[in-house]
Amino acid sequence: EAGVAQSPRYKIIEKRQSVAFWCNPISGHATLYWYQQILGQGPKLLIQFQNNGVVDDSQLPKDRFSAERLKGVDSTLKIQPAKLEDSAVYLCASSLMGLHNEQFFGPGTRLTVL
Amino acid sequence: AQKITQTQPGMFVQEKEAVTLDCTYDTSDPSYGLFWYKQPSSGEMIFLIYQGSYDQQNATEGRYSLNFQKARKSANLVISASQLGDSAMYFCAMREGDTGTASKLTFGTGTRLQVTL
Repeated sequence: EAGVAQSPRYKIIEKRQSVAFWCNPISGHATLYWYQQILGQGPKLLIQFQNNGVVDDSQLPKDRFSAERLKGVDSTLKIQPAKLEDSAVYLCASSLMGLHNEQFFGPGTRLTVL
Repeated sequence: AQKITQTQPGMFVQEKEAVTLDCTYDTSDPSYGLFWYKQPSSGEMIFLIYQGSYDQQNATEGRYSLNFQKARKSANLVISASQLGDSAMYFCAMREGDTGTASKLTFGTGTRLQVTL
């Protein structure tokens, strides 16, 4: 079974530029999560989708961050314009409902904003 | 108050020895789940073990076991017979609510484990 795919793995941009990250969850997983992990901290949820609907985006900085999950499969997270403090690893995860909802994580995208 | 607290920023353990990584949590929800993830330097989060709030027995998965003390709100990870490949960051996380609804994980700040020869 293929895992969660993310691209790109690394991205370096200047502040005020825009950037987009892509995630393809495990086939059949209805729930998709985007987490931000700043160096030295644990991951923090940005947004959670159930199929193509948003369940929780309370910690998403909506003035600059946006995300979509068209057709309930893969997802894109965008930052526009980027700030220095957005430098972090962006992790995508997916899960099935039921059992204990173990979340499977992708390899992450490491973003550096200069 | 922090929902998940990991008080050990770093730990050292000798190869073949056991090590305990501490985790305390705070929730008023009677139904919750506790997870431990391993994050090697490659960055990917690897699921290790899960404990549900209603589980009567402590969870075990191979060399990993979870010392669940509900009254003290602690969920410590025990790694037995440490191996060099166990060197990584370890995160404790909590899901609030029952398993019928998928909900976010709240993570602690992590413990960096270094296994030495």
